[in-house]
Amino acid sequence: KQEVTQIPAALSVPEGENLVLNCSFTDSAIYNLQWFRQDPGKGLTSLLLIQSSQREQTSGRLNASLDKSSGRSTLYIAASQPGDSATYLCAVRGGSYIPTFGRGTSLIVHP
Amino acid sequence: KAGVTQTPRYLIKTRGQQVTLSCSPISGHRSVSWYQQTPGQGLQFLFEYFSETQRNKGNFPGRFSGRQFSNSRSEMNVSTLELGDSALYLCASSLAIRRTGGNNEQFFGPGTRLTVL
Repeated sequence: KQEVTQIPAALSVPEGENLVLNCSFTDSAIYNLQWFRQDPGKGLTSLLLIQSSQREQTSGRLNASLDKSSGRSTLYIAASQPGDSATYLCAVRGGSYIPTFGRGTSLIVHP
Repeated sequence: KAGVTQTPRYLIKTRGQQVTLSCSPISGHRSVSWYQQTPGQGLQFLFEYFSETQRNKGNFPGRFSGRQFSNSRSEMNVSTLELGDSALYLCASSLAIRRTGGNNEQFFGPGTRLTVL
């Protein structure tokens, strides 16, 4: 059974810092991994989707990498802003094709 | 292009009742997945429908069911509600023509907040 862990569970940083959020998974046989953000009480917003054959994806200030062999993905946020405050979730779609979500990293960026 | 829409946004029911939630996917998307989100269990997969057929099912009791219509709109039903069914129910859509490729990116709706009293 696929298990997904996100570290740290919570993070509070001053504006302008570069951040790294981690996502680890136990079964490396995956189709893809997707990063989301969720604002309180809202749905999820897709950030980046990495296929199993890819090593990284970039969108604006966000960069996500994937290392299947070690069962890890990282989300890099450059020059963080208060508007980046949210919970960040990763979801791994494995062999059963059922997505497994981590519990998320709650990020606060203060001015 | 309109995003995923879910109705209703908020719902209050009592134990033993049943409830039906609705999801309209992004135009052209044929796959609709449902999730339950609670503080205790996080986000858990309920089921996925593709072209009116259930393609995957999570580990939930038979009280949870769903269906998909020919226009890709989907409904999920929960019968005999329990207090533990209180949660945010999220719907996601994707093109999902094949199991590989960018068409599997999931787009979520705002969710339906269900409270069971």
